Amino acid sequence: KQEVTQIPAALSVPEGENLVLNCSFTDSAIYNLQWFRQDPGKGLTSLLLIQSSQREQTSGRLNASLDKSSGRSTLYIAASQPGDSATYLCAVNGDYKLSFGAGTTVTVRA
Amino acid sequence: SQTIHQWPATLVQPVGSPLSLECTVEGTSNPNLYWYRQAAGRGLQLLFYSVGIGQISSEVPQNLSASRPQDRQFILSSKKLLLSDSGFYLCAWGGQYDNEQFFGPGTRLTVL
Repeated sequence: KQEVTQIPAALSVPEGENLVLNCSFTDSAIYNLQWFRQDPGKGLTSLLLIQSSQREQTSGRLNASLDKSSGRSTLYIAASQPGDSATYLCAVNGDYKLSFGAGTTVTVRA
Repeated sequence: SQTIHQWPATLVQPVGSPLSLECTVEGTSNPNLYWYRQAAGRGLQLLFYSVGIGQISSEVPQNLSASRPQDRQFILSSKKLLLSDSGFYLCAWGGQYDNEQFFGPGTRLTVL
């Protein structure tokens, strides 16, 4: 059974600092990996999708890397803003089903 | 573009009452469809998924059921709700090619 771990569980940084969020998974036989953002009481917003054959994916200030062999992915958010405050979830796609981590709750202080 | 709708947005139901939550997707054909539950302080749990009309796979034994009467419609039901059914229910769809998943706004269910 795939197990996904996200560290840290919570993170508080001053505005402008770069964010580094970590995700690890136990089974490297994956199709792809998705990073999501969730605001309180809301659904999930897809941020980035990395295919298993890719090493990284970029969208604006967001960059996600994938090392499938070691079972790790990292989400980098450059120059954080208060609007980046949210919970970030990592999900691994195996056999058309997503396995989620518990998330990292980020607070960016103005 | 594709959109996904869920209703109702919030629901308060007594223990033992029935449940019906609806999810519809627009702008795509033959999507994979999913129901997840997010309980307070817990991660997202996959409840059901469907790769086609009438095809339902259950991930967790429970008193819930799912149906897919049309290609882009997914329904979550229960005949008798339990207190433990309280939570945030999310519907998602994924493409047949890479299955990147997109989520609806969710339904907050409180069982009293």
